[in-house]
Amino acid sequence: ETGVTQTPRHLVMGMTNKKSLKCEQHLGHNAMYWYKQSAKKPLELMFVYNFKEQTENNSVPSRFSPECPNSSHLFLHLHTLQPEDSALYLCASSQEHTGGRHNEQFFGPGTRLTVL
Amino acid sequence: KNEVEQSPQNLTAQEGEFITINCSYSVGISALHWLQQHPGGGIVSLFMLSSGKKKHGRLIATINIQEKHSSLHITASHPRDSAVYICAVSSYGGATNKLIFGTGTLLAVQP
Repeated sequence: ETGVTQTPRHLVMGMTNKKSLKCEQHLGHNAMYWYKQSAKKPLELMFVYNFKEQTENNSVPSRFSPECPNSSHLFLHLHTLQPEDSALYLCASSQEHTGGRHNEQFFGPGTRLTVL
Repeated sequence: KNEVEQSPQNLTAQEGEFITINCSYSVGISALHWLQQHPGGGIVSLFMLSSGKKKHGRLIATINIQEKHSSLHITASHPRDSAVYICAVSSYGGATNKLIFGTGTLLAVQP
């Protein structure tokens, strides 16, 4: 148990559906992340929120839309996805400080997404 | 070519064996991370190091900054060590804690 929870754990959706992934961290951290893990590929950073402000959008298609209402919650809204978007979506959090040095990230269990 | 390379990609060992997984990187870093991912997906951070050596139980991680290389060692391996081990590096500075990941090493320890 890392202190980061994700729901749902599994999701199957059609290409015309709209769904949302939810992440919650119970660690008091101020930064949260969405990652995508596809088969045989390294984890890819999708979005970063520091202090609730989006600081990174790693050229992610607009069919993925993040939302960070507060420092403990992070959502990933999905619409009109493609089959190649099927992957494991991981959320993480960390406590970041100013000054350049970064800290350990704590990962959630992931949501296994299948797009039909 | 990935900025973070791991070897081997797959490793099978017998219980009790000493295991080494290697990681090389080509970018400037502030820290290197070793992560463990079990079937089912969840990732656990094993080590975060920027110099020298760290030890937790049967796990040892070393880093050589000059050679841009790190190793993860498992002593007296056990079937419960079977997992994917991922090396990641974080760059220094900037507003974002941006990790760059290797593709992982799939370890299977047989009884």
